[in-house]
Amino acid sequence: DTGVSQNPRHKITKRGQNVTFRCDPISEHNRLYWYRQTLGQGPEFLTYFQNEAQLEKSRLLSDRFSAERPKGSFSTLEIQRTEQGDSAMYLCASSLLGNTEAFFGQGTRLTVV
Amino acid sequence: DAKTTQPNSMESNEEEPVHLPCNHSTISGTDYIHWYRQLPSQGPEYVIHGLTSNVNNRMASLAIAEDRKSSTLILHRATLRDAAVYYCIRLSGGSNYKLTFGKGTLLTVNP
Repeated sequence: DTGVSQNPRHKITKRGQNVTFRCDPISEHNRLYWYRQTLGQGPEFLTYFQNEAQLEKSRLLSDRFSAERPKGSFSTLEIQRTEQGDSAMYLCASSLLGNTEAFFGQGTRLTVV
Repeated sequence: DAKTTQPNSMESNEEEPVHLPCNHSTISGTDYIHWYRQLPSQGPEYVIHGLTSNVNNRMASLAIAEDRKSSTLILHRATLRDAAVYYCIRLSGGSNYKLTFGKGTLLTVNP
């Protein structure tokens, strides 16, 4: 297992376009998290899944954002009608239920022009 | 609200010990203290965590004050690869493991 994998690593899109990111967690990790990080700041929590159920969403997650985790394996994060303010690093993490350590991917850097 | 306070930056020399402080004066009895670090262009990486007792692992040591209002992450011999942003995080026991990051401490290691 190579850890948490995120694709693409970089995405440049025009304002108003839709984008989708994918996260493949560590096998058998039942918890999956999405975070967003802007320059000079720590990561901010967006949402998390336990298996296929989305159990919590931050108020940062506007209705233009949607996340899914079908079958409790990989997850996708979609941003519709992107805005320049969406430019950030989007990080995915996974962990085992009850475990004390989260494993992060290398992130997808989104630039909206 | 990260509910922890860390210095914005610290500097160390290679092969010297580094003590990274963190204040969490409003910590509750069931909150754990977790440390993560983020190397340039990488996602955060778990370092260590503790509740009351001091903890050691292969990466670092965590010293927790007796009143639990502060803690110190200790890197025993800093290397250039330890240059990173270090985050001190309070985590409620039994929570969904939602991490609340602050701005962390940027550690610079000089050769």
